This record gives sequence, C-alpha cells and structure tokens, in this order.
Amino acid sequence: DARVTQTPRHKVTEMGQEVTMRCQPILGHNTVFWYRQTMMQGLELLAYFRNRAPLDDSGMPKDRFSAEMPDATLATLKIQPSEPRDSAVYFCASGLDRVRVNTEAFFGQGTRLTVV
Amino acid sequence: AQKITQTQPGMFVQEKEAVTLDCTYDTSDQSYGLFWYKQPSSGEMIFLIYQGSYDEQNATEGRYSLNFQKARKSANLVISASQLGDSAMYFCAMRDRTNMGRRALTFGSGTRLQVQP
Repeated sequence: DARVTQTPRHKVTEMGQEVTMRCQPILGHNTVFWYRQTMMQGLELLAYFRNRAPLDDSGMPKDRFSAEMPDATLATLKIQPSEPRDSAVYFCASGLDRVRVNTEAFFGQGTRLTVV
Repeated sequence: AQKITQTQPGMFVQEKEAVTLDCTYDTSDQSYGLFWYKQPSSGEMIFLIYQGSYDEQNATEGRYSLNFQKARKSANLVISASQLGDSAMYFCAMRDRTNMGRRALTFGSGTRLQVQP
C-alpha cells in the first residue's frame, strides 16, 4: 500500500528553536510538494520539487524556511528560528509528472506544528 | 483572479441522496489537471478523483464523479448515495503551468459537507 509518510505527526516547540519535518514520497514519484494549512490562509504552496530539483519555493519565507531533497526517498522542510505564526499543519505530497499530464498527487498525513 | 473558486462554504445533504460540490477554475494553459480531495476531521488529505484537460469522458471513481465542463471551466464533484462518513471538507485543486512554466497544485478554499441521517 503505497503512501506518503511524514514525520513527526505532531511537534510542539518553543519559539526560536529549529524544527525539521521529514517526508518520504511514494516510490517512483518524481514530484514533491510542501504545503502549509491554516484556518486563515487555507492550503498554501511552500515548495515544489521535480526530480529532486527545486522548481518553485516562492511561497516560502526564505529567511527562516528551507526545503531540500537529499535523495529521492527523503524531502525535508526546516524552520530556523521558529515563530508562533508558523503554527500550522504542514503537508507533504508526492506526484508523478509525465510529459503532458499529471495524474497523481497524494498527501501525507501532515505534521501539526505548534510553536509556543 | 482566483485560480480555483469554490463558492459553497458549507453544504447539507440527506443520507442516501446525491450532492454536487461546485468548482470553477481559471487557466490559460491547454494542458492541466483537476483534482478533488477530501479532508475529514482527522485532518488527512484523501485523493478522490482526477480529470485531465484532454480527457473526453468525465472521470468516475465509485460513488464519485466529476462533471467536467471545459468551456465553462467548471469541474464539479458529484457524490452519489451520500453516507454519514462523507461528512468532511472537500477541496478542488488544479495543476497547470505557472508563469515560470512549472506546474504547481493550487487549491480552492473548500466546501464543508455535512451528511444528515
């Protein structure tokens, strides 16, 4: 049963601390998305990778957020230093881009981050 | 302009009845994909159904079908024979090329569906 795996599921941290969220995409998928969900803003795209290369991180606050894909089985999203306004649910999704169509985009269960 | 518009913040439906959740989109791209996701109270995002812009037939997956009207740029989700477990938030999403030629998944604001016994 292929699925996107995110860790941790929940994280409570103090303001100023570094937070690292991890994502294991579905084997064979070549795209990875990071989204943030809040009540006020809904689902916001933070970063987007294809074949491990970052294609779009325009939605990510560059001063504190960073996203990487060290290898095809791991994507990371880091916040340093964290702030209370970063409290949200962070989703990772993986998909399969073909030349003309995109037919799959599956989400992980999310990381619920609370910064106090 | 909003790329994905879901005009129904909330919907009620009686159990066993069909319900249509509206979604309109805006894109100048010829090749794009439309997705529907379900988010129950547990918070996970569950993929329901996909429609490609070149697909001539409406997509169907079990009780879910997508009413794709390309000229009107609408991609409504139809749930037949509603069940109590269908109560959730439903999101419409689209993948098309951004100005930079890349494809990102853009979401609407969602519709909260409540199925009543």
